[in-house]
This record gives sequence, structure tokens and C-alpha cells, in this order.
Amino acid sequence: ETGVTQTPRHLVMGMTNKKSLKCEQHLGHNAMYWYKQSAKKPLELMFVYNFKEQTENNSVPSRFSPECPNSSHLFLHLHTLQPEDSALYLCASSRITTSGDNEQFFGPGTRLTVL
Amino acid sequence: AQKITQTQPGMFVQEKEAVTLDCTYDTSDQSYGLFWYKQPSSGEMIFLIYQGSYDEQNATEGRYSLNFQKARKSANLVISASQLGDSAMYFCAMRVSGGYQKVTFGTGTKLQVIP
Repeated sequence: ETGVTQTPRHLVMGMTNKKSLKCEQHLGHNAMYWYKQSAKKPLELMFVYNFKEQTENNSVPSRFSPECPNSSHLFLHLHTLQPEDSALYLCASSRITTSGDNEQFFGPGTRLTVL
Repeated sequence: AQKITQTQPGMFVQEKEAVTLDCTYDTSDQSYGLFWYKQPSSGEMIFLIYQGSYDEQNATEGRYSLNFQKARKSANLVISASQLGDSAMYFCAMRVSGGYQKVTFGTGTKLQVIP
């Protein structure tokens, strides 16, 4: 596998279910991100991890719980979601530098539907 | 606060013609980076091109070039010799110095290339 992978690609869940999204990067990066992409809205940053430490939580509801066991893996645990949480969830990774030109590499996303 | 504005929700271009996708940004920071990403229907965000605020020359990457006008705070993407595979959503994004991992995205422009 190369780049950034995400599983599953599609997920349908009920409001009472618990599920997890998985992201893995094979690029040797040390920062990972979760984004939410809803229809007709800008991409929303949810969480940022540097070297496994969470450095950004963009006022995300507690029903979303991230986990970063190492710099290559990132999870998003979901529980008691709402229908408005239905969206494309994108994972990204980047190499931390101070220069600013470190673009983020994205995975293909998980299309989540909450019934 | 940073803001990215993409005023063209949709654009059409004839195959082999050039097209310009507009992007304006707002920031009070002097040091920042501007990115363009392409998102095909498959969902993955693909990095296209980067421009640093102190770069004097416009960035170019193959058929992509970034028309950077700092005084106007615009960073338009120019795609030359459009191909059918260029049909996708295009997002302009910005990162400011210090918030080197926090990227703000625009709402995107849907480009359709006509044969």
C-alpha cells in the first residue's frame, strides 16, 4: 500500500451504533488529520495529531473520539451519531516543517451515512 | 481569522482550452502558503500546486500555474490545455505561519471539461 489509505470506504450506521474509521499513512509523515466534508460546505478540520499528540480539536462534539496510537495510524471512533453527521470523512498526513510548504496528502475518504 | 473565497461554484471549459479558477484570500499574516487541490468524484483530494507568500515567481507544475497577485490577495489556478480527466472539484486552501498545520479551505469550484 502506498500513500494514505482509509477503511471502510463506505459506512452506514444507526444512531445507536458504535463504529470506527481507520486511516493509515505509508509516507513517513509525523502529522495526521481528520476532516469532515459536507455537501456545499468547506472542508472542516476536526483533529490534528503531531507525533501522536493531539494538537487541535476544532470544537468537535464528543460523539467523535480520535485515537492516534502511532504516527502511521489514526482512528476516529463514532458513537451515538446524528443524521447531520453524514458526510465524507477525510484523513490526511503531512511532514512537519517550519517552512510551510508541506502539503497534506489525503486518503480517499469514508462516506458515512447515519440513519 | 483566515478566509478563502471561491466565487465560481461551477465552470465549463472546452477540451484543449485553458481555464482560470478564481481564489481570493483574507489574512492579516505576512507569511502564509496557498494550495490548490483537485477532488475527483472518487473523493480523494490530490495536491496540485503550492505558492508561498514570499515567493516572487508564480508557481508552475506541468499544466497548472498559479497566478499570484499579492496586493489583490488572489491566487487563481490556471489549467492549460484542459483534458477530460480534469473534470473535478477544485479547492483553494491557505495555511498561515505558526498555524502551519491548520489549513483553511474554500468551498470549491466544480470544473467540467466538454469534449
